[in-house]
Amino acid sequence: EAGVTQSPTHLIKTRGQQATLRCSPISGHTSVYWYQQALGLGLQFLLWYDEGEERNRGNFPPRFSGRQFPNYSSELNVNALELEDSALYLCASSLVSNEKLFFGSGTQLSVL
Amino acid sequence: GESVGLHLPTLSVQEGDNSIINCAYSNSASDYFIWYKQESGKGPQFIIDIRSNMDKRQGQRVTVLLNKTVKHLSLQIAATQPGDSAVYFCAENANYGGSQGNLIFGKGTKLSVKP
Repeated sequence: EAGVTQSPTHLIKTRGQQATLRCSPISGHTSVYWYQQALGLGLQFLLWYDEGEERNRGNFPPRFSGRQFPNYSSELNVNALELEDSALYLCASSLVSNEKLFFGSGTQLSVL
Repeated sequence: GESVGLHLPTLSVQEGDNSIINCAYSNSASDYFIWYKQESGKGPQFIIDIRSNMDKRQGQRVTVLLNKTVKHLSLQIAATQPGDSAVYFCAENANYGGSQGNLIFGKGTKLSVKP
């Protein structure tokens, strides 16, 4: 069974640009989560989607947004990129909301 | 979100010894806890979870202990191996206020296993 897949693996952008990150959950999982992990830091909760709806968001500005598609895959968009947005963005999925999340390998976003 | 320093707490153990990684959680209303292992360049990997109606749960070579009185969680790894070297995170399901429903992660502990 395939795990959570994320693309691209690496993304390099310049300040002010927009970034789009993609995630495919484990088959059968309807909940998708996005976390930000800055270098050397812990995981900060960004967004939670379930059944196509945004269920909760963390303490991040509105330029961080996303959506979940009918096939439960998800997209994270970051507008007006800032240097401090450079981080590993991790997507996870679960069968039961907020229990036993399975993570992808992440997208390393570098903002120059 | 939580603020975490650049220097992770580090636990260094000898191969074959037992390891104990500790975690203090923040909310007495949290009812679900989970441990993850993160190796360099990879996403976090599920190790073991426990609900608040339990004090102890065992897996393969791992045991999680929950002390609700002092809001403390620990992960015990038996016969630690070099492949156990990683950063370990605890997380709680903080079902309250603005954090309803999402897992809140701790700061992480780096485990180094000496051969």
